[in-house]
Amino acid sequence: NAGVTQTPKFQVLKTGQSMTLQCAQDMNHEYMSWYRQDPGMGLRLIHYSVGAGITDQGEVPNGYNVSRSTTEDFPLRLLSAAPSQTSVYFCASRLTTDHGYTFGSGTRLTVV
Amino acid sequence: DAKTTQPTSMDCAEGRAANLPCNHSTISGNEYVYWYRQIHSQGPQYIIHGLKNNETNEMASLIITEDRKSSTLILPHATLRDTAVYYCIVRVATGFQKLVFGTGTRLLVSP
Repeated sequence: NAGVTQTPKFQVLKTGQSMTLQCAQDMNHEYMSWYRQDPGMGLRLIHYSVGAGITDQGEVPNGYNVSRSTTEDFPLRLLSAAPSQTSVYFCASRLTTDHGYTFGSGTRLTVV
Repeated sequence: DAKTTQPTSMDCAEGRAANLPCNHSTISGNEYVYWYRQIHSQGPQYIIHGLKNNETNEMASLIITEDRKSSTLILPHATLRDTAVYYCIVRVATGFQKLVFGTGTRLLVSP
């Protein structure tokens, strides 16, 4: 099915561990982005990409890395997990013009 | 980006039309009105967008006033599954769009 696929859906990490949240889309969307959403709060942009090989920081990039080697994939890496990174992470993609974003179902991350 | 104002909450009976208003009095000429919704614990879902003409798709209709300072999202026959927080956002259509969801309108559809 066409859409944005995020894995895993749930993850528990210990402080200091690293991991990669996966995001893949099969709609040939140029724009991809990662958001985090904390309880009762809105979305905050972590990193985004406007095409393969091009990434840029959002408003809360510290502690996260991204890469975009293909159009389809946009993984988010947590370098050294901290309890403050406990959140729900959403990946979203979009064509360049005149379309809304398609969101994944989210990854619920708990750092203990 | 133009600021938007929405009511905090609304109620609607199942099967009736839900009309969700949004004010965006500072909207610029090249900015579109986008609507998203977020059902509890799910990812946000794009609903519809428009520039100045009324728009309709399989999910909803969007009515934009002639002066473009306000709009209304219409769910013609609301169901229980339409219970969600609805967000109105104003953005230019091209280029990367950083999504900033305000508080939105919490729509409760009841039997």
